[in-house]
Amino acid sequence: GENVEQHPSTLSVQEGDSAVIKCTYSDSASNYFPWYKQELGKRPQLIIDIRSNVGEKKDQRIAVTLNKTAKHFSLHITETQPEDSAVYFCAASRAHNNDMRFGAGTRLTVKP
Amino acid sequence: EPEVTQTPSHQVTQMGQEVILRCVPISNHLYFYWYRQILGQKVEFLVSFYNNEISEKSEIFDDQFSVERPDGSNFTLKIRSTKLEDSAMYFCASSPLVAQEQYFGPGTRLTVT
Repeated sequence: GENVEQHPSTLSVQEGDSAVIKCTYSDSASNYFPWYKQELGKRPQLIIDIRSNVGEKKDQRIAVTLNKTAKHFSLHITETQPEDSAVYFCAASRAHNNDMRFGAGTRLTVKP
Repeated sequence: EPEVTQTPSHQVTQMGQEVILRCVPISNHLYFYWYRQILGQKVEFLVSFYNNEISEKSEIFDDQFSVERPDGSNFTLKIRSTKLEDSAMYFCASSPLVAQEQYFGPGTRLTVT
C-alpha cells in the first residue's frame, strides 16, 4: 500500500519568513495530493491540493509543487503569520481509490 | 456552509464494551470515511464507504470494526469489543466524488478505560 513520509516533524520560523514542508510517496499510481491544516483540538481542514497532471499550484501565500518522477511534493507558505501555526499533514491517494494515506505531520510554529 | 457533524464529542467506555460513533455527512456527498488519530500522531485511514458498501479498508479495520448507513443521513462506526489501544480521536469525513476534497467532522474522542 501507499506510504507517505513527511519532513520535518517540527518547523519554527519567524513571522514573515517562508516555510517549506516536504513529502514523499511510494505508490507511483497515486495522483491526488492534498494538504491539511489541523489546529490544536480541531478537525483537519484542506488548504490546497494538487493532481498529478499539474506540477505546481498556488493560492495566495500557499503553493504546492509536485515532482512525479521523484515521487515527492512540497508545501510552501510565504510571508508566514502567527495564525499559520498548526500541524500540517500531507496525504496521497489514487484517482479511483478512497484509501488516502497521511504523512506523520509537521508542527509549524510561527514566532511573532 | 454545510458541515459534517459527529456525535458524541467525547465517549468514555470500559474495555470490552461496544461503542457506536455517529456521523452525519454533508447531504449531497456520495463517499464517506472514517479515520483515527491517536493523540499526537498522524491521521490514519480506516474505511471508505460508497453506494452502501465498503469500498476500501485499511489493515487497522479488522473484524472488531463495522460501518453502516442505517438511514439516508447517518453513517456509523461500531467497535465491537473495545481495547485500551482503541482510545483515539475518530474523524468522519465525506466527499462529493472519489479523490476529491474530503470534509472532516469535528471528531469523537473515544477513551477506553
